[in-house]
Amino acid sequence: AQSVTQLDSQVPVFEEAPVELRCNYSSSVSVYLFWYVQYPNQGLQLLLKYLSGSTLVKGINGFEAEFNKSQTSFHLRKPSVHISDTAEYFCVCTGTASKLTFGTGTRLQVTL
Amino acid sequence: NAGVMQNPRHLVRRRGQEARLRCSPMKGHSHVYWYRQLPEEGLKFMVYLQKENIIDESGMPKERFSAEFPKEGPSILRIQQVVRGDSAAYFCASSPLGLTYNEQFFGPGTRLTVL
Repeated sequence: AQSVTQLDSQVPVFEEAPVELRCNYSSSVSVYLFWYVQYPNQGLQLLLKYLSGSTLVKGINGFEAEFNKSQTSFHLRKPSVHISDTAEYFCVCTGTASKLTFGTGTRLQVTL
Repeated sequence: NAGVMQNPRHLVRRRGQEARLRCSPMKGHSHVYWYRQLPEEGLKFMVYLQKENIIDESGMPKERFSAEFPKEGPSILRIQQVVRGDSAAYFCASSPLGLTYNEQFFGPGTRLTVL
């Protein structure tokens, strides 16, 4: 079984500032890791994914994440955020193809 | 190529009524997954279906909930005798294959409100 912990429920940040959204996972098997973004009243969009290979993963909209096996972390980063990045971000893992395990989400609030 | 479609987008039911949520997967996708998002929470897996088969229903409540994915037509999530606690957003996702990793593409969700 897998579990995902997103320690920060809300992250306020000013526009053009850097941001890091933290994610830790727990699993007894190898996992695939993802970050999804959910804009208000919309579905989920995949930002990036780690399946294997390079531990630094680049995604859409300038986001990137680093897989750290020893720390069981998969933190999401962006060097300079925009107002349009305001959304809910979910860290997700799966050990199989079928059942995604979601974290509770981090609300990123970008202000001027 | 249209994405995953769900309807209705919003559904209001009174306690005791039935709710039917529909999901049309992306073209070429034969695997469907249903997730529930309660207010202020992440999504929770409910059920995984292939055409005419339920593969994994470990996240489905034992009573009142059922799901199907017929050979023809959309996948249906059915909730009988709804209660206020069923109020949530229900998301459907689809993928082309299920045995190895394939990205799940999500629909816009159906927001169920039980009065």
